[in-house]
Amino acid sequence: SQTIHQWPATLVQPVGSPLSLECTVEGTSNPNLYWYRQAAGRGLQLLFYSVGIGQISSEVPQNLSASRPQDRQFILSSKKLLLSDSGFYLCAWTLGGREAGEQYFGPGTRLTVT
Amino acid sequence: GQNIDQPTEMTATEGAIVQINCTYQTSGFNGLFWYQQHAGEAPTFLSYNVLDGLEEKGRFSSFLSRSKGYSYLLLKELQMKDSASYLCAVKDSNYQLIWGAGTKLIIKP
Repeated sequence: SQTIHQWPATLVQPVGSPLSLECTVEGTSNPNLYWYRQAAGRGLQLLFYSVGIGQISSEVPQNLSASRPQDRQFILSSKKLLLSDSGFYLCAWTLGGREAGEQYFGPGTRLTVT
Repeated sequence: GQNIDQPTEMTATEGAIVQINCTYQTSGFNGLFWYQQHAGEAPTFLSYNVLDGLEEKGRFSSFLSRSKGYSYLLLKELQMKDSASYLCAVKDSNYQLIWGAGTKLIIKP
């Protein structure tokens, strides 16, 4: 069966500090991978998605970046965090291909920028 | 623009039935999803509709009318553990999911 891991679970970082969140998927090959952010009481905002190694599409211009160094690894980074970067960060995967169905989510990382 | 509307909050009684509505206006349509999200947790998949009609899965059912841009999630025999937010999402013409803000469902004994 497939599983998706995210770490850390919670993170408190000062403004201006760097960020690195990691997501890995097990039990599947060539998945589509996604990074979302969810502000308190709000819906999901798609940040980045990837259909393959080194292929990253950005949905929202901001101070975040994403990389996919391996097939089942997706990393979200920032060089300098802003207060507005606080939120619940979710990684998700789905089977590769345009007809892919439902997305499956990792447990999430709650980031607080102080 | 693309838009998905859901009620912000609903309250229902344990053992009762509740219907959560979702209306959408998107550039193309390639399916509609419902997810459940408990407070502080990740969303979990509930149902998928791509054709008009009702899909039943245990106590949960989801309905779709593509001509009306409308869906609902029906929860029967409500239990306290059903207290959660319910997210509606539509896959658009680019096969990307557009998410509603979610409906917070409060179950009272």
